[in-house]
Amino acid sequence: SQQGEEDPQALSIQEGENATMNCSYKTSINNLQWYRQNSGRGLVHLILIRSNEREKHSGRLRVTLDTSKKSSSLLITASRAADTASYFCATDADAGGTSYGKLTFGQGTILTVHP
Amino acid sequence: EPEVTQTPSHQVTQMGQEVILRCVPISNHLYFYWYRQILGQKVEFLVSFYNNEISEKSEIFDDQFSVERPDGSNFTLKIRSTKLEDSAMYFCASSADRAWSGNTIYFGEGSWLTVV
Repeated sequence: SQQGEEDPQALSIQEGENATMNCSYKTSINNLQWYRQNSGRGLVHLILIRSNEREKHSGRLRVTLDTSKKSSSLLITASRAADTASYFCATDADAGGTSYGKLTFGQGTILTVHP
Repeated sequence: EPEVTQTPSHQVTQMGQEVILRCVPISNHLYFYWYRQILGQKVEFLVSFYNNEISEKSEIFDDQFSVERPDGSNFTLKIRSTKLEDSAMYFCASSADRAWSGNTIYFGEGSWLTVV
């Protein structure tokens, strides 16, 4: 099964607009994390949401989690050109407490913010 | 802010050669990981390491791969005999505790490996 699939695959917006990216997954999870990657660079952790949480905020970021639909969304408000990057969700499958950090990443959403 | 550091940032190697990628995890972290990302593809889990032993590994992590924590700070990934398909960005990561209990996994900048 495929875990952590994002949509859209690419998103192009103007500076100041909001950007919403979605992630769907197949199996039960412990946590879901969102990461950002600038082209050819490392993965920068943005936010972690636990399976018993429904919404979390961090600065201009808002993440929601709907475990009944097995989906999450990442909202970036008032986007800036510097937000241009790829955004990935990564799920930590619920393996009865035996998972040791095996995150499953999606293909990512490429966000382009035009100045 | 503490960070995971990796060396080298880029390495080009001949097919069949051994490669060692090095990582310094965040100092108070106990769980260590290697992931890789083939160009244009998803980030894939390779291995997790805790208490000086492998906790979990993927199908990718075959006998050609090994990990080691040779001292109190470094964590290495060795590929014994590189293949063309090993060309990828390799990410080291660490977390303070088990990821399933809500601990963030922090990634390094990655090491680009090109096998020619």
